[in-house]
Amino acid sequence: DAGITQSPRYKITETGRQVTLMCHQTWSHSYMFWYRQDLGHGLRLIYYSAAADITDKGEVPDGYVVSRSKTENFPLTLESATRSQTSVYFCASSEGASYGYTFGSGTRLTVV
Amino acid sequence: KNEVEQSPQNLTAQEGEFITINCSYSVGISALHWLQQHPGGGIVSLFMLSSGKKKHGRLIATINIQEKHSSLHITASHPRDSAVYICAVQQNTDKLIFGTGTRLQVFP
Repeated sequence: DAGITQSPRYKITETGRQVTLMCHQTWSHSYMFWYRQDLGHGLRLIYYSAAADITDKGEVPDGYVVSRSKTENFPLTLESATRSQTSVYFCASSEGASYGYTFGSGTRLTVV
Repeated sequence: KNEVEQSPQNLTAQEGEFITINCSYSVGISALHWLQQHPGGGIVSLFMLSSGKKKHGRLIATINIQEKHSSLHITASHPRDSAVYICAVQQNTDKLIFGTGTRLQVFP
């Protein structure tokens, strides 16, 4: 299916565990982003990528790791999950500044 | 102070009413986006605009660059319009700065 797919949709994990959220897009968009959404905050940028093998920190990168070995995939890893990382995570892609953004359906992560 | 402020935070309307959601920002921008998020759902892009006005169906978005202000209007509102509407601004990068959203409920 064309589009941007996030998996899993829901995840419960324990404090201290490593967890990876997946993001896959079929448009070959250059730019990909990871945001977290928390009550009382707008979406906040965790990491972004301008192309394969190019990643950069956003506003709230601590505790997260990303990679982009292929244009279509942009996984987000929580190396040692903490309760403060309980959130809804959105992946997005874009072809560039003059184009719009496409968002995934989100992953609701609960760290217990 | 947030760089992107939306008002109101919450909005309740009766079906058929005309609705306006406002967005003010304090930074220079290259574009402004309006997004829609249904409860438990993903985020859908409604508009991207850098000047003037855009219309799609019952939705109208306007922007005044000099005043750093944008509005999203919904004409003849319907219960299916109930959602969170999010304003986001884009500076001369590919990153967005988001407002905290306006929660709209439209009752039959």
